Amino acid sequence: EPEVTQTPSHQVTQMGQEVILRCVPISNHLYFYWYRQILGQKVEFLVSFYNNEISEKSEIFDDQFSVERPDGSNFTLKIRSTKLEDSAMYFCASSRDRADSPLHFGNGTRLTVT
Amino acid sequence: QQQVKQSPQSLIVQKGGISIINCAYENTAFDYFPWYQQFPGKGPALLIAIRPDVSEKKEGRFTISFNKSAKQFSLHIMDSQPGDSATYFCAASIPSTDKLIFGTGTRLQVFP
Repeated sequence: EPEVTQTPSHQVTQMGQEVILRCVPISNHLYFYWYRQILGQKVEFLVSFYNNEISEKSEIFDDQFSVERPDGSNFTLKIRSTKLEDSAMYFCASSRDRADSPLHFGNGTRLTVT
Repeated sequence: QQQVKQSPQSLIVQKGGISIINCAYENTAFDYFPWYQQFPGKGPALLIAIRPDVSEKKEGRFTISFNKSAKQFSLHIMDSQPGDSATYFCAASIPSTDKLIFGTGTRLQVFP
């Protein structure tokens, strides 16, 4: 069964550094998402991406965050200047249709900002 | 109004028992209510979902009960097994939006 793959599985970075989290969504899916989960807390929506542009974003997704689909297969989340509070598990997801169709999540990238 | 409240935070059930997890919402615009299952080190995986035009949906040992007037929905796991031990999240979405709003999660432990 096709799956969403994320790399790296764990990223450690220093405060103020830029990080790029990478995802390969399922190939025939049209909608792409980033969610994050701070340890032990709920899964929070960050951004959705459709037709090569952001379709919706949360208040968490400020100017420090950006997303890109550079080559038709990868989907990336960039954090320009990381803060301690950005430490979380970041999940990429994809779906054939909007959020009311099954979302397929990757196994996440654990980001640790020191 | 965009919140989904989930309870209990944790649940311990004996093998063969029924596990019940509850969620409540305020926003009547929500029209899709999925449940996701998450094992340690993995992403959430869709378990079962319901829309508000039905009051119950069953898939194997998993049943969603939906009470539109009370704005509540629940997940029942019949004949709970140790392999069901995971964190369960309810969620909701509004039509024509691209985001799921997740509950706070319930950590289920099923003991033999």
